[in-house]
Amino acid sequence: KNEVEQSPQNLTAQEGEFITINCSYSVGISALHWLQQHPGGGIVSLFMLSSGKKKHGRLIATINIQEKHSSLHITASHPRDSAVYICAVRSTGNQFYFGTGTSLTVIP
Amino acid sequence: EAGVAQSPRYKIIEKRQSVAFWCNPISGHATLYWYQQILGQGPKLLIQFQNNGVVDDSQLPKDRFSAERLKGVDSTLKIQPAKLEDSAVYLCASSLDNSYEQYFGPGTRLTVT
Repeated sequence: KNEVEQSPQNLTAQEGEFITINCSYSVGISALHWLQQHPGGGIVSLFMLSSGKKKHGRLIATINIQEKHSSLHITASHPRDSAVYICAVRSTGNQFYFGTGTSLTVIP
Repeated sequence: EAGVAQSPRYKIIEKRQSVAFWCNPISGHATLYWYQQILGQGPKLLIQFQNNGVVDDSQLPKDRFSAERLKGVDSTLKIQPAKLEDSAVYLCASSLDNSYEQYFGPGTRLTVT
């Protein structure tokens, strides 16, 4: 079993839809990262959080430490949001664990 | 501010050959990471440096992989000899310190034939 599980693995949405990607983890963490990877492109860090909620533009990330769960929300989705979204955690033992990613396609 | 630089961007080698990748982190970043990302999978941490010291190399296949960051700035990752299953994108990332956000380089896509 992976230390970090994401769902769904694949997601297709119509432009304008509200999107939620979920991440569950099984280890104690000091931080959780949401990353975005475009096809053939590098990885961009979207958020790093250890509690509560962060917002950047149309992106919102939340984390519930007690439930070991985080969500990434995209409001008013756009085709340029199409990418792979990866959840990663840094454990309290200072090890990194990555999810396998959620592939998002937003259709115009 | 310049980002994390990596070279080469692409490399094709035959199995049993050697290959080296180079990473130049963002200036002032003490922590440097090397990741391996196999197609369709999430990145896997190979090694983490804090300045020129190794913090975590538990997932580095030490029989064939080596990495160094001699002066605490640039880093090189070497594979010798390469195997077919080493075909992947090798990502370098850096952060101010290990509790800060990571910034990723563009990666080096390695194909072993």
